[in-house]
Amino acid sequence: GEDVEQSLFLSVREGDSSVINCTYTDSSSTYLYWYKQEPGAGLQLLTYIFSNMDMKQDQRLTVLLNKKDKHLSLRIADTQTGDSAIYFCAESSGYNKLIFGAGTRLAVHP
Amino acid sequence: EADIYQTPRYLVIGTGKKITLECSQTMGHDKMYWYQQDPGMELHLIHYSYGVNSTEKGDLSSESTVSRIRTEHFPLTLESARPSHTSQYLCASSESTRGQFFGPGTRLTVL
Repeated sequence: GEDVEQSLFLSVREGDSSVINCTYTDSSSTYLYWYKQEPGAGLQLLTYIFSNMDMKQDQRLTVLLNKKDKHLSLRIADTQTGDSAIYFCAESSGYNKLIFGAGTRLAVHP
Repeated sequence: EADIYQTPRYLVIGTGKKITLECSQTMGHDKMYWYQQDPGMELHLIHYSYGVNSTEKGDLSSESTVSRIRTEHFPLTLESARPSHTSQYLCASSESTRGQFFGPGTRLTVL
């Protein structure tokens, strides 16, 4: 069945780049998404990428998609303490349904 | 301002009580969703709707029920709450493939 996998934890120093990785199984997914969740809050849509794209950049965020390997990554440049959160990768599953990964907890330290 | 709202934000109730979690969106989206999430864990889809009078069960079995009488409103009801229902409930809406937009969530505790 459809599945999305992410590493659970990532720790980076403030000012460094963060790279969060995700693998998915459904090759028919047309869109892939990155969401951010801060403690006690809902999910915030950060960015999305269409499956026929390799890369998408939006300010400090860069999304890379390797469709052959079904691998998606989110790079955050110049990581700040405000970037500390849980980051969820999601793939579309028809009819606008989304399949989410378990989330990667990003900790930013001075 | 276009947004999605959930009330209450926090709810502590006793076992056996009937509760309704409210979700409203002002974006005119046809599609709405309910997810259940234990703190810091993955999301599980429990209900979704593609429009008025359309509701479907999601991937995770749930004892809750939903209704969609108006486009902007998608309430979730638990007829008899139990401690196993303790969780965070997130509502979302979407119009296109450009992603789902989430409300702030309701954190439910059943004693």
